Amino acid sequence: DTGVSQDPRHKITKRGQNVTFRCDPISEHNRLYWYRQTLGQGPEFLTYFQNEAQLEKSRLLSDRFSAERPKGSFSTLEIQRTEQGDSAMYLCASSRAQGFGETQYFGPGTRLLVL
Amino acid sequence: SQKIEQNSEALNIQEGKTATLTCNYTNYSPAYLQWYRQDPGRGPVFLLLIRENEKEKRKERLKVTFDTTLKQSLFHITASQPADSATYLCALGDNYGQNFVFGPGTRLSVLP
Repeated sequence: DTGVSQDPRHKITKRGQNVTFRCDPISEHNRLYWYRQTLGQGPEFLTYFQNEAQLEKSRLLSDRFSAERPKGSFSTLEIQRTEQGDSAMYLCASSRAQGFGETQYFGPGTRLLVL
Repeated sequence: SQKIEQNSEALNIQEGKTATLTCNYTNYSPAYLQWYRQDPGRGPVFLLLIRENEKEKRKERLKVTFDTTLKQSLFHITASQPADSATYLCALGDNYGQNFVFGPGTRLSVLP
């Protein structure tokens, strides 16, 4: 257990529905990252926050995806109008800013299946 | 565009031998490279970081090399054990917090 928690661990939804995932980082970590991982591939970067500011978004992140970190603590990732291609593991990671290259601590992930 | 390759999808070795995993990259000048371990159904776990001005790093049975000329990192596990069986991911990053990219991973199986 890294100290990063994600909820739910599994989500099954029908195409077109909205889903929201939550990530609780390690409390003293000011950076929070979201990734998506499909079978046999490494995690793909989606977005990251430093405190409450969203500093970067991947061009993979379509308009249907939105992430927030309102008080610089937990974060949510929402997917609107889900598509079957959204089925994947969604991973959250947190780190303490020390320049870059600092260790990222990953949560267990939320596995999404869109039917 | 940036591309990261890891030597093979899967690698099988005998217990006690040294496992060597390869990470090659193109169209990138990373400031650092990290190696992670990932077990099925779980998030990656950080193992080692090596920066562009370092040639080699060691941690217990693990050794990482970084050759920016060859654009390659090698990850070695000596005296491998069945408990080392997992997927190993390399990841590259720059000093601006952008372009943090994972490779596809190599699934290592250590056979007793």
